[in-house]
Amino acid sequence: EVQLVESGGGLVQPGGSLRLSCAASGFTFSSYWMSWVRQAPGKGLEWVANIKQDGSEKYYVDSVKGRFTISRDNAKNSLYLQMNSLRAEDTAVYYCARGGSGSYYLPGFLRAFDIWGQGTMVTVSS
Amino acid sequence: EIVMTQSPATLSVSPGERATLSCRASQSVSSNLAWYQQKPGQAPRLLIYGASTRATGIPARFSGSGSGTEFTLTISSLQSEDFAVYYCQQYNNWPWYTFGQGTKLEIK
Repeated sequence: EVQLVESGGGLVQPGGSLRLSCAASGFTFSSYWMSWVRQAPGKGLEWVANIKQDGSEKYYVDSVKGRFTISRDNAKNSLYLQMNSLRAEDTAVYYCARGGSGSYYLPGFLRAFDIWGQGTMVTVSS
Repeated sequence: EIVMTQSPATLSVSPGERATLSCRASQSVSSNLAWYQQKPGQAPRLLIYGASTRATGIPARFSGSGSGTEFTLTISSLQSEDFAVYYCQQYNNWPWYTFGQGTKLEIK
């Protein structure tokens, strides 16, 4: 079964740090772009960051640039999000999501997110 | 930044009827648009990508149309399990993405 399982969420004070993990199974993790998407309580979806298959390319939404770092360990089939200098507005459920596989130059490369984890809640509050 | 605007915010429809949800982009996104369904307490599920291609396992009652700046998700005959929140997402300037604010589809 293709599956993504997030962990690492919790309560943290403003200015603090947290590291989220996403364990992948049931597919060749190293072949896929991966993303983090978040959802504040009662709000819509916001893409946060993504990373290429080999980790050589990383992209971020402006609001987290310089504070969050996305990374992956293909040997462990795992995706990570290191979150520093956390703010109240970072409070959200964080989902990992699977993107496309192969070269993005090729037709048929999927840029949407076809597999999602169940999410992990991050609360930033004093 | 490309802004995605969905309408209406809430749509009330009776089971068995047709539902039409709209998504508008602030600039052309070609056909680089996806639709997701999210039920309470669950992760989003991909329904449509490329504006009109159903994802694996998605029933034929779900269809997408449009290109450029105007897009539509149509559910031809609503089933009880279809009442949820629906989001559009553009990926024309991939690898950056933006989502619409969502349309809540509720039972009339």
